[in-house]
Amino acid sequence: GIQVEQSPPDLILQEGANSTLRCNFSDSVNNLQWFHQNPWGQLINLFYIPSGTKQNGRLSATTVATERYSLLYISSSQTTDSGVYFCAVEGGGTSYGKLTFGQGTILTVHP
Amino acid sequence: DTAVSQTPKYLVTQMGNDKSIKCEQNLGHDTMYWYKQDSKKFLKIMFSYNNKELIINETVPNRFSPKSPDKAHLNLHINSLELGDSAVYFCASSLRSLAGGPSDTQYFGPGTRLTVL
Repeated sequence: GIQVEQSPPDLILQEGANSTLRCNFSDSVNNLQWFHQNPWGQLINLFYIPSGTKQNGRLSATTVATERYSLLYISSSQTTDSGVYFCAVEGGGTSYGKLTFGQGTILTVHP
Repeated sequence: DTAVSQTPKYLVTQMGNDKSIKCEQNLGHDTMYWYKQDSKKFLKIMFSYNNKELIINETVPNRFSPKSPDKAHLNLHINSLELGDSAVYFCASSLRSLAGGPSDTQYFGPGTRLTVL
């Protein structure tokens, strides 16, 4: 099946810093989503982005499908950005919505 | 106006018991999923239903049985619980049209933390 690797595994920032999280995947994808799992465990959908670039406030994401990677940018980080960021992909073909998750990036933002 | 809800939020039980987790979505979506998150935070799909029909069944022990009474509900029943079943179980849903696209976006419920003693 499709493989998903995220980097870095851990990231520690001071409030106000910018960061880039990376997701590499091993095959073509129909679906790619970025999620934030907050400290209370809730999985929040950030972006649906199998290709192209999107922005939502301080967050933006870019997926280069031909090179099989996606980047999540967080600007002017805040303590509320802390948590685990997951990239999840659905492989091409008939995957019926099966999302394969990366191992996540644990982000800690200090005040 | 919760989109995807799960009950209960916490479930603590003894080995060998049978338990159920319920999931409901009010988004009008056609497809629902169950995922399991282990203690290392790794998330893996277990099942998927589309309009009450099972379409994904990963290599999950047959002690786990999903049931979809209608397309807004997907319940998970677990028989003979084992210590290794302790995890957080997430329900999710998506619209999923044949054309694909943003309708494939999956929305997750709050999770059910299952602890088997």
